[in-house]
Amino acid sequence: SAVISQKPSRDICQRGTSLTIQCQVDSQVTMMFWYRQQPGQSLTLIATANQGSEATYESGFVIDKFPISRPNLTFSTLTVSNMSPEDSSIYLCSVEDRIGQKGANVLTFGAGSRLTVL
Amino acid sequence: AQSVTQLGSHVSVSEGALVLLRCNYSSSVPPYLFWYVQYPNQGLQLLLKYTTGATLVKGINGFEAEFKKSETSFHLTKPSAHMSDAAEYFCAVRAMNRDDKIIFGKGTRLHILP
Repeated sequence: SAVISQKPSRDICQRGTSLTIQCQVDSQVTMMFWYRQQPGQSLTLIATANQGSEATYESGFVIDKFPISRPNLTFSTLTVSNMSPEDSSIYLCSVEDRIGQKGANVLTFGAGSRLTVL
Repeated sequence: AQSVTQLGSHVSVSEGALVLLRCNYSSSVPPYLFWYVQYPNQGLQLLLKYTTGATLVKGINGFEAEFKKSETSFHLTKPSAHMSDAAEYFCAVRAMNRDDKIIFGKGTRLHILP
């Protein structure tokens, strides 16, 4: 399965600032996914990052708040813009192992980026 | 649409005791079911998955889960807990033969008592 490197692993940020999280995969993948993991909550899909096109955002997430770049098949960034304490969370990058039939594919995750907004 | 309910946000078992983490799902179509584990400061990794065929699925680290359609359950078990099993466990569901997004439960944190 793919190996994902994510950075920063953690950061403490000031309210109103923005932070960009990087996700590097050791193999070419078609789709990359960005998740948010809030304490006591499910993992929530923010968006799907497709190479060469705009990201597809889930309900409740918008591009102005979470701009995503996908310049090539091995790299993506997620920016958390104009942060507030409510954005304190773990942000996870993920790719899908496309071996097998639809829906049965396994997600591989990065180690996550733990953001604390003061 | 799919949903997942994990009963118990925290479960404590003694080392050597049976581990049972409960997961119930709701799906309008036949599901694929997954269990992921997250160790501290790490990403999620797959423990096991049910796609088709045998309803008892064996995974890594001695874990297994049984798909029970009549009970809409996919509980995770391990006969004998080890200290290294302390982690957070996520049950997840996805629609069969579709590229719908995977839906995760809220997670259950497993504590192992010495």
